[in-house]
This record gives sequence, C-alpha cells and structure tokens, in this order.
Amino acid sequence: GAGVSQTPSNKVTEKGKYVELRCDPISGHTALYWYRQSLGQGPEFLIYFQGTGAADDSGLPNDRFFAVRPEGSVSTLKIQRTERGDSAVYLCASSPSGPPGPQFFGPGTRLTVL
Amino acid sequence: QKEVEQNSGPLSVPEGAIASLNCTYSDRVSQSFFWYRQYSGKSPELIMSIYSNGDKEDGRFTAQLNKASQYVSLLIRDSQPSDSATYLCAVMESGNNRLAFGKGNQVVVIP
Repeated sequence: GAGVSQTPSNKVTEKGKYVELRCDPISGHTALYWYRQSLGQGPEFLIYFQGTGAADDSGLPNDRFFAVRPEGSVSTLKIQRTERGDSAVYLCASSPSGPPGPQFFGPGTRLTVL
Repeated sequence: QKEVEQNSGPLSVPEGAIASLNCTYSDRVSQSFFWYRQYSGKSPELIMSIYSNGDKEDGRFTAQLNKASQYVSLLIRDSQPSDSATYLCAVMESGNNRLAFGKGNQVVVIP
C-alpha cells in the first residue's frame, strides 16, 4: 500500500518568509508525528497528533512553529518568520495507533532558508 | 546526559561478515525499541522493533534487548553491500509520545 507522502520534497525560502509543509499519512493511521533532522543527527521530535488533536507539542522549538490536522488525516506544519537555523529535513511519520507502536516515516521535506 | 547513545564510529565490514551495532539509553522505564536504516539522502526505514528482553530475529537481522543493562543491539548477518547505510537506534520512553534517536552508526560493507 501507499506509504507516508510529504510535499514539497524541497523548499527554498528567504529569511523571514512563511512556509507550509504537508504530510499525508498511511491510510487508517490515527497517529501522526513531525520530526526534523539536521545533518549528522538523528531525528528530533516536534509534535504528535492523535486524531485531530495535538496530543504532545512539547518538541516545537518556539511559537513560530505550528501544526494542524483538521480532519484527522493530512497534517500541515507551518513555520512563520523563518530563520536560517530552521534549515533541516522535516520528517513526518505515522503509526496505526500511536505510542508505543512503531512509526513509519515519509520521504521528508528539505527546507533551506537563505 | 543524552537519552540515546550510539558511540561507535563508522563500521567497515567485509561482505558476508556480521555487523554488530550497539545502543545504550538512559531511561530505565523505556518500553519500545526500534532500529531504523537510513540511506544517504533518504528517510529512516523501520527494520526492527523489540519490546521485551532477549533476541528477536527477522531474516538477516537480530535485535537484542537487555533492559537491566539498558542496551539494545543489532546484528546484521551475511552483510551485503546494500546494507551500507546509517543505522539509527530509537527508544520510546514509558509515558512519552516521542521517539528519542541516537546519532546513528554508519555501516560500510566492503565487497
């Protein structure tokens, strides 16, 4: 079956701009996660959704980051006033039911802030 | 203290040999443990999950978990060039919703 999909695959933006990154989870998966990965590091947790609600947003670095999942399927990660330090690969993962089960990652969006 | 440690540097193994990777974690009540494979420029791919002490085998991969010593390992038997990748250890703590990842170990299988 289809895996997790993410769009765009690459995004280049200028410092101070607003960006939206989209994630479409595996069909039927109720849990959705956002991580970001910098070069040479493991993924770093950002936020976890169970259904439509953000069950844990403790990983969001500051209030410029926000994510929604209005219908319990597709999720959008929104970053306001982007900074060069936001450059990373943003990964989305989904899970059939949530913790402690396995998570399956999408291909990621590479964000570059100039 | 970092939650998940993968300390070994790049690991080079000849084709057909066993590659052994280790991971330690800090939280004693962690309950789920995963190994992901990540090819260069790609996203992590789940290859093993383990939840209880002991060994779990899946094809050429064996995961070993020792909760008392707080380590989890991955063995790759009959290593193939296609196994050349970075292997990420991930741990989910009890009562937590996130996976904590190590930095990863690069494996290079030499034909």
